Amino acid sequence: AQTVTQSQPEMSVQEAETVTLSCTYDTSENNYYLFWYKQPPSRQMILVIRQEAYKQQNATENRFSVNFQKAAKSFSLKISDSQLGDTAMYFCAFMNSQQGGSEKLVFGKGTKLTVNP
Amino acid sequence: DAGITQSPRHKVTETGTPVTLRCHQTENHRYMYWYRQDPGHGLRLIHYSYGVKDTDKGEVSDGYSVSRSKTEDFLLTLESATSSQTSVYFCAISEVGLQPGGGYTFGSGTRLTVV
Repeated sequence: AQTVTQSQPEMSVQEAETVTLSCTYDTSENNYYLFWYKQPPSRQMILVIRQEAYKQQNATENRFSVNFQKAAKSFSLKISDSQLGDTAMYFCAFMNSQQGGSEKLVFGKGTKLTVNP
Repeated sequence: DAGITQSPRHKVTETGTPVTLRCHQTENHRYMYWYRQDPGHGLRLIHYSYGVKDTDKGEVSDGYSVSRSKTEDFLLTLESATSSQTSVYFCAISEVGLQPGGGYTFGSGTRLTVV
């Protein structure tokens, strides 16, 4: 079974600075997808960024980018120019692309990020 | 997200009572999921559905049952609620092939407290 590990339960960063959230995963599969979800205090789950394992290029969405190291099974999220609205719980998640159709997500335990003014 | 709604948003119930949570979607997606979120555990899959009347167990299915009689509705039932089932419950939908590995659309969650 796949597992996802987020080793930083809590992190903080000053507004306008850069922060990196760590995620490692364990799988024997070659084709899969990785995700970062953001959960602000409103509780809504918001997709931040998505990476396909067969793509070597790291995904980027505005201020959010990932460092995907397939051999190391690492998938870190970098937030540049941090804003107060980035304060949230961040979840790393894994999806096996060979599940016979269903797209079950396996989540890490989350990292609580606080952006300080 | 407007395409998926959960009800109720909050509920307090007593130990031993049955509870049903409802997830309703307007996207006509094939796949629906129920997760629970607990501090220190992230989100864990309870049950999922891959079509009308087609369901399967997830990682933490004990004490829960589900039903899907229509594409748009996926019900989660706690037959006899226990305090360990106090949690936030999320429903999610996805559609294989629409955007493979595209991720989920989540409902806004139900906070259930069992006293």
